[in-house]
Amino acid sequence: EAGVAQSPRYKIIEKRQSVAFWCNPISGHATLYWYQQILGQGPKLLIQFQNNGVVDDSQLPKDRFSAERLKGVDSTLKIQPAKLEDSAVYLCASRHRRSNTGELFFGEGSRLTVL
Amino acid sequence: AQSVAQPEDQVNVAEGNPLTVKCTYSVSGNPYLFWYVQYPNRGLQFLLKYITGDNLVKGSYGFEAEFNKSQTSFHLKKPSALVSDSALYFCAVTGASSNTGKLIFGQGTTLQVKP
Repeated sequence: EAGVAQSPRYKIIEKRQSVAFWCNPISGHATLYWYQQILGQGPKLLIQFQNNGVVDDSQLPKDRFSAERLKGVDSTLKIQPAKLEDSAVYLCASRHRRSNTGELFFGEGSRLTVL
Repeated sequence: AQSVAQPEDQVNVAEGNPLTVKCTYSVSGNPYLFWYVQYPNRGLQFLLKYITGDNLVKGSYGFEAEFNKSQTSFHLKKPSALVSDSALYFCAVTGASSNTGKLIFGQGTTLQVKP
């Protein structure tokens, strides 16, 4: 079974530029998450999708971050304009169902460096 | 509000010795608890989870964890550490009553196993 795919793995941009990250979850997984992992911290949830609907985006900085999952499969996370503090690894994860008991499967992450 | 605390930034053990990585949590109602491991430049990998039942749960790579409701703890253990166990370990929690099932992560503990 193929895992969660993310691209690009690494991205370096200057502040105020824009960037987009792509995620393709495990086939059949209805729930998709984007987490932000700043160096030395645990992952923090940015947004959660159930199929193509947003379940939780309470910690998404909506003035600069946006995410979509138009067809309920792959997803894109965009940052525009980027700030220095956005330097982090952006992790995509998926789960088979919305059930609280299932574990999340993570991609390898997209590392963003903002200069 | 849900939260997870991992009181140790780093744990050092000698190969062959037992290891413990500590985790305490705060959640309304019954908790669902998870441990993940992260190797350098990789995503998070699921190790084990506690949902209900036996307080001692066994997971991948010989790891186990003990749920203690009175102490609100879920410590990760292994009887005999390997050098290859060296990695970053995250504890995570969600509430059984949560309507989103999102995982809240601790800040992580670096495990260093020396030969």
